[in-house]
Amino acid sequence: DAGVTQSPTHLIKTRGQHVTLRCSPISGHKSVSWYQQVLGQGPQFIFQYYEKEERGRGNFPDRFSARQFPNYSSELNVNALLLGDSALYLCASSLDGYQETQYFGPGTRLLVL
Amino acid sequence: GESVGLHLPTLSVQEGDNSIINCAYSNSASDYFIWYKQESGKGPQFIIDIRSNMDKRQGQRVTVLLNKTVKHLSLQIAATQPGDSAVYFCAESAGTALIFGKGTTLSVSS
Repeated sequence: DAGVTQSPTHLIKTRGQHVTLRCSPISGHKSVSWYQQVLGQGPQFIFQYYEKEERGRGNFPDRFSARQFPNYSSELNVNALLLGDSALYLCASSLDGYQETQYFGPGTRLLVL
Repeated sequence: GESVGLHLPTLSVQEGDNSIINCAYSNSASDYFIWYKQESGKGPQFIIDIRSNMDKRQGQRVTVLLNKTVKHLSLQIAATQPGDSAVYFCAESAGTALIFGKGTTLSVSS
């Protein structure tokens, strides 16, 4: 069975630009969560979606938004990129997302210049 | 605020030794904990989990211990192998979000 997939694997943007990251969950999983991992630190929670509805949001500015599609895939959008947005963006999928194992994809490495 | 942290940033062991990685958590209401392994350039990989109604859980070569009295979690790896070299994170489930600590880098020399 395929695991969580993310695209693209790497991305380079300049300050002020917009970026869209994509995630496909494990088949049968209805919840997708997004995390930001800055070099040397643990992942930080951004969003969780379940059945196309936002069910949780971390301490990130409104420049960050996401959505989940009927096939349970998800997009993370970041507007007005800042240098500090450079990080590994991880997507995790789970059956329903509440106090259960979340399985992570390989991540998208974003570099903002 | 709520946070999960690890006691040591790095741990170096010899191949074949047993490794113990520790983690302290701050939210006594948390009732689900997970250990992840992250290799360079990859996403976190699930190792083992434990719920607060348990003190110990064993997997293949790994054991997780939970001490709710002192809010402490540990991961024991038996017969550590070079392939175990990675960064290890404990994570606390606070509802929908996983809260991660900074991680412990395990280095295994042969």
